[in-house]
Amino acid sequence: EPEVTQTPSHQVTQMGQEVILRCVPISNHLYFYWYRQILGQKVEFLVSFYNNEISEKSEIFDDQFSVERPDGSNFTLKIRSTKLEDSAMYFCASSVSRTVYNEQFFGPGTRLTVL
Amino acid sequence: QQQVKQSPQSLIVQKGGISIINCAYENTAFDYFPWYQQFPGKGPALLIAIRPDVSEKKEGRFTISFNKSAKQFSLHIMDSQPGDSATYFCAATEDMIKAAGNKLTFGGGTRVLVKP
Repeated sequence: EPEVTQTPSHQVTQMGQEVILRCVPISNHLYFYWYRQILGQKVEFLVSFYNNEISEKSEIFDDQFSVERPDGSNFTLKIRSTKLEDSAMYFCASSVSRTVYNEQFFGPGTRLTVL
Repeated sequence: QQQVKQSPQSLIVQKGGISIINCAYENTAFDYFPWYQQFPGKGPALLIAIRPDVSEKKEGRFTISFNKSAKQFSLHIMDSQPGDSATYFCAATEDMIKAAGNKLTFGGGTRVLVKP
């Protein structure tokens, strides 16, 4: 069964450093998302992406964040200068289309720890 | 107005019992209400979902009840099994025609433990 994959599973970084979180969405999916989950809290939407453009972003997704689809398979989230409060589990998701009834498939997540 | 409130935060149920998780929302533009199940170390996975034009949807042991006028919906897990022990999230999303990007708004999650 096709699945969304994410690498690395755990990333430890120093405050102020740049990190890139990588995702490989399901191959025929066209819509991509990043969500995050701070430990013990709810899953929060960060950004949605389609046709090489951001469709929607939350207030969390400030200038420190960027997304890119550098090739036909990867979808990346970059945090330019990490802060302690960026420590969270980051989930990538993808869906076939943007119709509201289309399931978003989630990857296993990358745990980001900022020291 | 974008929030989805979920209760309880945690739940312990005996094997064979019924688990009930409740969610409430304010945004009347929400048009689709999925429930996600998350096991430790895994991402959320779609369990069951409902549209607001029906009041109930059942899939196996899992049932969603939806009350549009009260803006509430709930998940019932019948005959709960130890393998159902997981965190459950309710979510909501707006109609794509009206909204930009089909983002999911999640509730806070309920950790369910089913005791053998």
